[in-house]
Amino acid sequence: DGGITQSPKYLFRKEGQNVTLSCEQNLNHDAMYWYRQDPGQGLRLIYYSQIVNDFQKGDIAEGYSVSREKKESFPLTVTSAQKNPTAFYLCASSPQGATYGYTFGSGTRLTVV
Amino acid sequence: DQQVKQNSPSLSVQEGRISILNCDYTNSMFDYFLWYKKYPAEGPTFLISISSIKDKNEDGRFTVFLNKSAKHLSLHIVPSQPGDSAVYFCALTSTSAGNMLTFGGGTRLMVKP
Repeated sequence: DGGITQSPKYLFRKEGQNVTLSCEQNLNHDAMYWYRQDPGQGLRLIYYSQIVNDFQKGDIAEGYSVSREKKESFPLTVTSAQKNPTAFYLCASSPQGATYGYTFGSGTRLTVV
Repeated sequence: DQQVKQNSPSLSVQEGRISILNCDYTNSMFDYFLWYKKYPAEGPTFLISISSIKDKNEDGRFTVFLNKSAKHLSLHIVPSQPGDSAVYFCALTSTSAGNMLTFGGGTRLMVKP
C-alpha cells in the first residue's frame, strides 16, 4: 500500500542539539517537500526537492538542512541554529504536474526541552 | 505579500447547516485550485479540486466554486457534520509553477451537534 511515512511521531530535543526527521515515500513521486506548522498558523515551506540530488530553499530555510540522495527519502535536519524549532513538521510528495496535488505524511511533533 | 488569503481564521456552524469557507488570491496565473482538510496532529488530506476552465465542482456534500474575475474560491459543505470539524486549507498552483502549491493560512471549522 503506497504512502508517505514520517518518523518519529514525537521527538524531543535538547537545546543546542541537531535532530533529523525522517520522511520516506513509496509512491514513486519525483518531488518532496518539508513544511512547518505552528499553533494557529498555516503551512510554511522549509525546503523542497523536485528531483534526486537537487533541492531548493523555501520561505523559512534558515536553521534547517536537507538531503535527497534517493528518490524515496528526504530527511530534514533541524540544526542548533534554528532559534525556535518547536513545531509540527509535515513532509509531502507529489508527481510532476500541476493537477495532482500533494500527499502528506502524518507529521512529526518536535519539542525542544 | 500573501498571494493566497483565507480571511476567516475560524468558523462555527450548527450540524445540518451549510459551511462556507472562503479563499482569495491575487495572482491571476493560478489555474488549478485544491482544498485540503487537516485534523490536529495529522497531515492534510486532499478533499476536492477545480481547474480554471470550470466554475463549479461537486463531490457529495462538498462543492467548490471558482470566481476567476473576483479571484475568489469557496468551499461549501452541506449538510455539515461534526466530523467535518477540522482546519481547511485552500492550495493554488499554476501550470507554469509545475507542481508547487501555494497554501492559504487555513480556516478552523467547528460543527456543533
